Amino acid sequence: QVQLQESGPGLVKPSGTLSLTCVVSGGSVSSNNWWSWVRQPPGKGLEWVGEIYHSGTTNYNPSLKSRVTVSLDKSKNQISLKLSSVTAADTAIYYCTRSPYDDNCWGQGTLVTVSS
Amino acid sequence: DIVLTQTTLSSPVTLGQPASISCRSSQSLVHSDGNTYLSWLQQRPGQPPRLLIYKISNRFSGVPDRFSGSGAGTDFTLKINRVEAEDVGVYYCMQATQLITFGQGTRLEI
Repeated sequence: QVQLQESGPGLVKPSGTLSLTCVVSGGSVSSNNWWSWVRQPPGKGLEWVGEIYHSGTTNYNPSLKSRVTVSLDKSKNQISLKLSSVTAADTAIYYCTRSPYDDNCWGQGTLVTVSS
Repeated sequence: DIVLTQTTLSSPVTLGQPASISCRSSQSLVHSDGNTYLSWLQQRPGQPPRLLIYKISNRFSGVPDRFSGSGAGTDFTLKINRVEAEDVGVYYCMQATQLITFGQGTRLEI
């Protein structure tokens, strides 16, 4: 059974860059899947951030596109997220997920707070 | 961008009674490949989301058959036949026809 585990700094300063990784166990990031990042501000709804295919093809939320990079590291079997120029509005739980529209494979999420 | 708008439930719902949540899309969700990528997810308190229904009406593995999905084009519905206590949480519709967007969520309380 595939398991996903997000990790990264829990606190990021305003104007800094948020960097998270998602380690995949029990499966391979090279499998025929899209890997997504979804975030959820405290007490609010879900927002899709972006996705990457095993080939490296990416798609991003248009509202975040200028600040987001999603990448794959096949040697480490992990997916990464970078979000630049962060503000308090980027404070959220960040989830890593595989093909969320037809699969049920989510990490537990990691809370990132943007604050000085 | 595709916007999904969900209805609110008249709260609270009575145990054993049915419940229905609607999701309306700002444009047709029929993909060029003929599929309609409309899913329903459940999020229990303190948990990540869980897929219930995909492609309008397909129940994901392990999802109780009291959950069902229907609809076409721009209008979709999630029905819970007989609400149980474990169904408390927030329900989201999600589309993946054009990138991915979520509805704002509908809270189910008992």
